[in-house]
Amino acid sequence: RKEVEQDPGPFNVPEGATVAFNCTYSNSASQSFFWYRQDCRKEPKLLMSVYSSGNEDGRFTAQLNRASQYISLLIRDSKLSDSATYLCVDSGGSNYKLTFGKGTLLTVNP
Amino acid sequence: NAGVTQTPKFQVLKTGQSMTLQCAQDMNHNSMYWYRQDPGMGLRLIYYSASEGTTDKGEVPNGYNVSRLNKREFSLRLESAAPSQTSVYFCASREPGTGLPGVFGSGTQLSVL
Repeated sequence: RKEVEQDPGPFNVPEGATVAFNCTYSNSASQSFFWYRQDCRKEPKLLMSVYSSGNEDGRFTAQLNRASQYISLLIRDSKLSDSATYLCVDSGGSNYKLTFGKGTLLTVNP
Repeated sequence: NAGVTQTPKFQVLKTGQSMTLQCAQDMNHNSMYWYRQDPGMGLRLIYYSASEGTTDKGEVPNGYNVSRLNKREFSLRLESAAPSQTSVYFCASREPGTGLPGVFGSGTQLSVL
């Protein structure tokens, strides 16, 4: 089983829609999780960290469910500029390795 | 405020040629990483260095070698390039144990003909 699995999409949504991505991880000892955003032909950039209590940053909400070993990202009121690939990341039990999911492609349409 | 600097940005090699990709970070991070990214495959870890003086294999280490030259620099070497190594390569660094994420360089687009 791959360490981090994501629905690859693509997700095509209209502006203003709410969209959610899920990601499952296999290492129950993993400590830290993140969501990254990657634009075409660019490097991945941190979108937000994921905390056990859940966290929100404007239109973005990230949640962690340790019992079921998944993390989620919710985007409300989608903007055209949200179009990108979203990557979930597991730092692993050793906290040294960063393991990426394959990414979920989101296209927000006018 | 450079962060992670990778060189070169683009490179074309012939099969069998060798080259070294350079990566340097100025954030005093202990851990550094090399990834490759191919269409449909996501980011795959080639090698990482948890701290200065240590290196470990990742998911796809075959055909590559690395050197953690000092705390700042982590290089990736292709001894005999193959077409299967055509990819985009990213270097990243982070400080483990802090809960803080990795910071990426802007990438190297490598084509092996």
